[in-house]
Amino acid sequence: DTEVTQTPKHLVMGMTNKKSLKCEQHMGHRAMYWYKQKAKKPPELMFVYSYEKLSINESVPSRFSPECPNSSLLNLHLHARQPEDSALYLCASSQEGSGVSYEQYFGPGTRLTVT
Amino acid sequence: SQQGEEDPQALSIQEGENATMNCSYKTSINNLQWYRQNSGRGLVHLILIRSNEREKHSGRLRVTLDTSKKSSSLLITASRAADTASYFCATAPNQAGTALIFGKGTTLSVSS
Repeated sequence: DTEVTQTPKHLVMGMTNKKSLKCEQHMGHRAMYWYKQKAKKPPELMFVYSYEKLSINESVPSRFSPECPNSSLLNLHLHARQPEDSALYLCASSQEGSGVSYEQYFGPGTRLTVT
Repeated sequence: SQQGEEDPQALSIQEGENATMNCSYKTSINNLQWYRQNSGRGLVHLILIRSNEREKHSGRLRVTLDTSKKSSSLLITASRAADTASYFCATAPNQAGTALIFGKGTTLSVSS
């Protein structure tokens, strides 16, 4: 199974309610990632988890809080959004090996619209 | 932060023609990867080339890497309408562990 799944596919939120994005993989990968992608732009790295521990936080605002409950699951909790948070949120996973980058497997993304 | 710059930003060709996309980067890397993204969907890994490799093939794809010039190219031969997508190079800087930094991408349109 080389699939990364993400739920929900679409999310429309006001600026004050809280929601969570979910990501799951069953490839035994120990590195998982969150990216944010605006229209016609490349993905921008937000967070990296390595062996369920947060290893990279690319100066993401605190209204985004990631969580890695176990080696297969990755969540992104959203609080008090801003309009500029509207984007495609992509989850990815890869092997983890002493600072070496491997190919990443991406989910289909969650499209967030902040109203 | 982005490290790769793709060139051209957009490319339109006819089916059967070859498409070449270039990528330049700034820092030393341990590998460079190319990904494809169909409109509004997840990225698909195409090919990975290590810093000690100069050329790699996968089906209709050919990737070259010139570490002295900090550049790479992706050639798609005999293109098909289904190749229409955005193509991104992604670098794995030596000090960044598993993180990838994506370039701005090339949008390829193949018309039949």
